[in-house]
Amino acid sequence: SQQGEEDPQALSIQEGENATMNCSYKTSINNLQWYRQNSGRGLVHLILIRSNEREKHSGRLRVTLDTSKKSSSLLITASRAADTASYFCAFTGGGNKLTFGTGTQLKVEL
Amino acid sequence: DAMVIQNPRYQVTQFGKPVTLSCSQTLNHNVMYWYQQKSSQAPKLLFHYYDKDFNNEADTPDNFQSRRPNTSFCFLDIRSPGLGDAAMYLCATSRDRAASTDTQYFGPGTRLTVL
Repeated sequence: SQQGEEDPQALSIQEGENATMNCSYKTSINNLQWYRQNSGRGLVHLILIRSNEREKHSGRLRVTLDTSKKSSSLLITASRAADTASYFCAFTGGGNKLTFGTGTQLKVEL
Repeated sequence: DAMVIQNPRYQVTQFGKPVTLSCSQTLNHNVMYWYQQKSSQAPKLLFHYYDKDFNNEADTPDNFQSRRPNTSFCFLDIRSPGLGDAAMYLCATSRDRAASTDTQYFGPGTRLTVL
């Protein structure tokens, strides 16, 4: 399967702590994106990192990409209860199809 | 000001009874996608339209069809729903088909229940 693998599958932290989730993939990629999905809702695009970039920031989000290890990580700093959601990595290879990872369920407790 | 709208949000149908899910967009994007997402799984692409050009994924069952009568609307038809078709169906759009650079905008999804 070309699907991305994410770990951990589930993560529970306290508000204010940082949350890190990881994505690994098997193919060569053009870019890698991260999406958030609140329970029972659609996906919201968070950030895109290109294959020639190593790190990218957006607000409290920090994404890294290591193409030699075929892996990416998403760091959410100073987490809030509103960050509770599922987070998916998604990537494109040679074609135009977006392939999603298996997702990490993040729960931020007060 | 919703950009990708899906109706209905919840749909209940009977085994074998045809059902149509609707998606509309106000973004004037060229590409519209349909994904199937089963519980606790990643979204799986069923097919997409690039303008009027229909592109089916190789492993999408024949039971699933789609129509795009104009730029704004796209429909997902399930001809004979089975119990295994119960899922969240997500519609998405992008300006162009270059998934390497384009962001996809998702609707809220339609949750389909098959009785």
